[in-house]
Amino acid sequence: GAVVSQHPSWVICKSGTSVKIECRSLDFQATTMFWYRQFPKQSLMLMATSNEGSKATYEQGVEKDKFLINHASLTLSTLTVTSAHPEDSSFYICSARAGFNIYEQYFGPGTRLTVT
Amino acid sequence: TQLLEQSPQFLSIQEGENLTVYCNSSSVFSSLQWYRQEPGEGPVLLVTVVTGGEVKKLKRLTFQFGDARKDSSLHITAAQPGDTGLYLCAGETQTGTYKYIFGTGTRLKVLA
Repeated sequence: GAVVSQHPSWVICKSGTSVKIECRSLDFQATTMFWYRQFPKQSLMLMATSNEGSKATYEQGVEKDKFLINHASLTLSTLTVTSAHPEDSSFYICSARAGFNIYEQYFGPGTRLTVT
Repeated sequence: TQLLEQSPQFLSIQEGENLTVYCNSSSVFSSLQWYRQEPGEGPVLLVTVVTGGEVKKLKRLTFQFGDARKDSSLHITAAQPGDTGLYLCAGETQTGTYKYIFGTGTRLKVLA
């Protein structure tokens, strides 16, 4: 149980284009989903927290107009990187949590984004 | 800003040795998780500790949550090459929204 998928697993796009990454909880309903960014050989940095049906809460320093997050259902959240630039190249990972009184979050396999 | 400092940052040991990884903060956490991450993959949850002073064992891994819920440790007995990876602690905060702050990470390499 507690499986989270991400799609695509890797994507290459040209500078100026937008890219959408999907995060799905496959066998449970996720009241909360989190989006993280990870640079090579570094830890995870939380970008935003999203609860189903409400606006995402972005961490300080994360541009909400650039990283659009939508959590339209209890099993799906999407992250859209708009007008991507090479500095947006990174490993993006989502996680999902089943409820507010449940401590664990389960991670997707990550999406490697390369902007050329 | 809440920070979780892990030490050591890097550790290279021989198979069979014991090791301890520390995760320290000045903040109190509702719970704390430990993860292991392989290159190019998402972190995999190892354990969650909730109560101050709690100790949990997972085969050769022993996890402890500090009495004040500000720090934690991971001890590995008789390390094996399969233990190689990036170990991450993550503390759950309740300031405003529930979210997780990740530690700086410990990269472990176990040599055969």
